Amino acid sequence: NAGVTQTPKFRVLKTGQSMTLLCAQDMNHEYMYWYRQDPGMGLRLIHYSVGEGTTAKGEVPDGYNVSRLKKQNFLLGLESAAPSQTSVYFCASRLNYEQYFGPGTRLTVT
Amino acid sequence: GNSVTQMEGPVTLSEEAFLTINCTYTATGYPSLFWYVQYPGEGLQLLLKATKADDKGSNKGFEATYRKETTSFHLEKGSVQVSDSAVYFCALRPTQGGSEKLVFGKGTKLTVNP
Repeated sequence: NAGVTQTPKFRVLKTGQSMTLLCAQDMNHEYMYWYRQDPGMGLRLIHYSVGEGTTAKGEVPDGYNVSRLKKQNFLLGLESAAPSQTSVYFCASRLNYEQYFGPGTRLTVT
Repeated sequence: GNSVTQMEGPVTLSEEAFLTINCTYTATGYPSLFWYVQYPGEGLQLLLKATKADDKGSNKGFEATYRKETTSFHLEKGSVQVSDSAVYFCALRPTQGGSEKLVFGKGTKLTVNP
């Protein structure tokens, strides 16, 4: 099993550009999550999904959209990137008590 | 609301020293408690967990005991190694309202010197 994978690993965007981050898991988990990690802030939940076709807002959803068209994939979109969205983004999926995290995507918005 | 407070770092220790990272929480009911570890350049991975009061979670020489009376879940290790250098996150999963989500502390960076 590959576990949780994220694409791309690194990206640099200019302000106003758009992009989509892809998260894929091969463990048949129902729950999937997107977090951002910033220095001194820990992990903050952006959006999450409790199953295929569902999405819900987390703690910091503004400026992001998500889709869960297939159970194994959870997409995070930035429609108009801002410098405040410079961060490391982690995807996770969940089975029972444990969340399994991907390796992260480092995004810089200039 | 639900929250997790853990000691601020960074923490720097010599190899074989004793480690304690404090974690306290605020939640209604009996949340499940977790410690996650993040090694440099990687995502988080579960280190240990406890799902009810007085449970002790343990893994890789690390231990933490769920103390309901003090709302704490402190992480300990008797003898740290250089390979334990990482960021450690305390987290809880509520049992009432929002049980599908984890609430994380801000993380404590540990550096172990040889």
